[in-house]
Amino acid sequence: GAGVSQTPSNKVTEKGKYVELRCDPISGHTALYWYRQSLGQGPEFLIYFQGTGAADDSGLPNDRFFAVRPEGSVSTLKIQRTERGDSAVYLCASSLRGWPNEQFFGPGTRLTVL
Amino acid sequence: GIQVEQSPPDLILQEGANSTLRCNFSDSVNNLQWFHQNPWGQLINLFYIPSGTKQNGRLSATTVATERYSLLYISSSQTTDSGVYFCAVGPGANSKLTFGKGITLSVRP
Repeated sequence: GAGVSQTPSNKVTEKGKYVELRCDPISGHTALYWYRQSLGQGPEFLIYFQGTGAADDSGLPNDRFFAVRPEGSVSTLKIQRTERGDSAVYLCASSLRGWPNEQFFGPGTRLTVL
Repeated sequence: GIQVEQSPPDLILQEGANSTLRCNFSDSVNNLQWFHQNPWGQLINLFYIPSGTKQNGRLSATTVATERYSLLYISSSQTTDSGVYFCAVGPGANSKLTFGKGITLSVRP
């Protein structure tokens, strides 16, 4: 079956602009995760959804970052007033609820803030 | 939070050689995954192995949860094995994964 998909694959924006990144999880996966990967580092957790609700948003760096999952499937990560430090690859993952909780990752969106 | 350390940070092998990659973690976990990140950035699932031993072709992994470490074995390495290998752990069901810094493997022909 289809894996996790993310759009766009690349996004270039200017400092101060607003961006939206989209994630479409594996069908049937109720858990959805967002991570951010900077160059030369491992991915870092941002937020986790179980169904429509954010179960853990402890990784969001500040209030410019927000994510939604209104129907429990597709999720959108929203970044307001982008800064150059937001440049990174944003990864989305999904998993089944409960066990096994193996996470499967999408190809990522490379965000560049000029 | 949980700390994850991977070693060695870099590894260079001649094609056909074997290698062992190590992952140490600081607390008990209920999820441990090994990934291979290819040159295009895609994280490819290698093993879901919170405990025990698994094998898949030339790759195998062992996690000793009580001693808080996991090992990834690559036998008869190929140039296509090159890339970054990540270990990631989580404390419970559907919890966030904490990643190590990765091990960069280069396999030379």
